[in-house]
Amino acid sequence: DAGVTQSPTHLIKTRGQQVTLRCSPKSGHDTVSWYQQALGQGPQFIFQYYEEEERQRGNFPDRFSGHQFPNYSSELNVNALLLGDSALYLCASSHNAGQDTEAFFGQGTRLTVV
Amino acid sequence: GESVGLHLPTLSVQEGDNSIINCAYSNSASDYFIWYKQESGKGPQFIIDIRSNMDKRQGQRVTVLLNKTVKHLSLQIAATQPGDSAVYFCAESRIALIFGKGTTLSVSS
Repeated sequence: DAGVTQSPTHLIKTRGQQVTLRCSPKSGHDTVSWYQQALGQGPQFIFQYYEEEERQRGNFPDRFSGHQFPNYSSELNVNALLLGDSALYLCASSHNAGQDTEAFFGQGTRLTVV
Repeated sequence: GESVGLHLPTLSVQEGDNSIINCAYSNSASDYFIWYKQESGKGPQFIIDIRSNMDKRQGQRVTVLLNKTVKHLSLQIAATQPGDSAVYFCAESRIALIFGKGTTLSVSS
C-alpha cells in the first residue's frame, strides 16, 4: 500500500499564474481533504471532497478550487497566485467522511510563488 | 474564535527522559482529538487519538490524557529517543482537522 501520494513534490510558480496539485488517496479511502501549511504554522483546512463533491470548505478564497474523480483521487487548483500562497500543501485521505475517522497525510507539495 | 492551541512552542529533553506536550482546546463540543508528529519535509504522521468518552489512552511509548473539565490534552512520550525529535500537533476533528501551532521537541543524546 503506497499510502497517500502527492505530486509534484516541489513547484515554483510566478505571481498571477495558476497551479494544479494532485493527490491519490490511500487504498480503500474515499474522502480527500486539502490543507495549507505555512512555515512554522499548523496545517489550515482548505476543503474536503467526498463522493466527488465539496463537502466542507475552510476560510479560503474562491481562487482555491478542487475536484475529486471517480477513482477518489483529487486535484487542488489555485488561480491568480499570490506570494502569500507559498506553502506546503497537504492532502489527507480517510474512509467515510466523518468527525472521528483517522486521516492519513501525504508528504505534501512545496509551492513557492515568486 | 474556536481553536486548538499548544502551550509551549519548544521543548528540549535528554534522551531517556519522559516528555510531556500540552494542548488546550476551546470547543467544549469537540469529541475526537488526534496527536500528529511531523518531521522536517514530511506530512503529519498519526500518533494516537482519543474520543471524549475516554480520559486516557495508551499506545506504544505514548499516552494521551484528556481533561474535559479544563479542555486540556496532553501527550506523554516515555523514554524519549532522538528519533522522536519533530514538531507535534494536536488536532481537533470536526470533519476538518483543526490544528494548533505545534510544539517542537528536541531530544539530545
